Amino acid sequence: RKEVEQDPGPFNVPEGATVAFNCTYSNSASQSFFWYRQDCRKEPKLLMSVYSSGNEDGRFTAQLNRASQYISLLIRDSKLSDSATYLCVVGPMNTGFQKLVFGTGTRLLVSP
Amino acid sequence: NAGVTQTPKFQVLKTGQSMTLQCAQDMNHEYMSWYRQDPGMGLRLIHYSVGAGITDQGEVPNGYNVSRSTTEDFPLRLLSAAPSQTSVYFCASKPQGYNSPLHFGNGTRLTVT
Repeated sequence: RKEVEQDPGPFNVPEGATVAFNCTYSNSASQSFFWYRQDCRKEPKLLMSVYSSGNEDGRFTAQLNRASQYISLLIRDSKLSDSATYLCVVGPMNTGFQKLVFGTGTRLLVSP
Repeated sequence: NAGVTQTPKFQVLKTGQSMTLQCAQDMNHEYMSWYRQDPGMGLRLIHYSVGAGITDQGEVPNGYNVSRSTTEDFPLRLLSAAPSQTSVYFCASKPQGYNSPLHFGNGTRLTVT
């Protein structure tokens, strides 16, 4: 089983739709969680950290479910500019040094 | 505010050639790392450093060397390029703290023929 797994998509949604992605992780000792956004042929950029109690940043909401070992990203009122690949990133703590583990990404396509 | 700067942006090598990918950050981050990104495989850690003079291997270190003589610079050396090293390479840095995110450079697209 991969340490971090994501549905590769693509998720095709119309503008204005609400879309959600999940990401499962296998290491129960994981302590840090992030969502990154990566545009085609560009570097990943931090979208948001994921906190235990869940957190929101504008149209984006991130949730953590430790019992089922997954994090989620909800995007409301999708914009054309949201089209990108969304990377789930998890940081285990039992390596003696934090090495972040990346999922392969979920591709989102928002159409007019 | 430069952040993480990688050079070159593009490079074509012949099998057996060597080269160095440069990475510099101006944020005084302790942690620096190199990743490669291949289709369908996500980012994989090549080497990382927790501070000047300290480096360690990541998931896919074979064929690559690194050094960290200063806090700012973390070059990646390809010793004898192979076609399997064709990839996009990202340098990233972060401050200490397990909940601090990575900051990425713009990437280097390397093709080995």
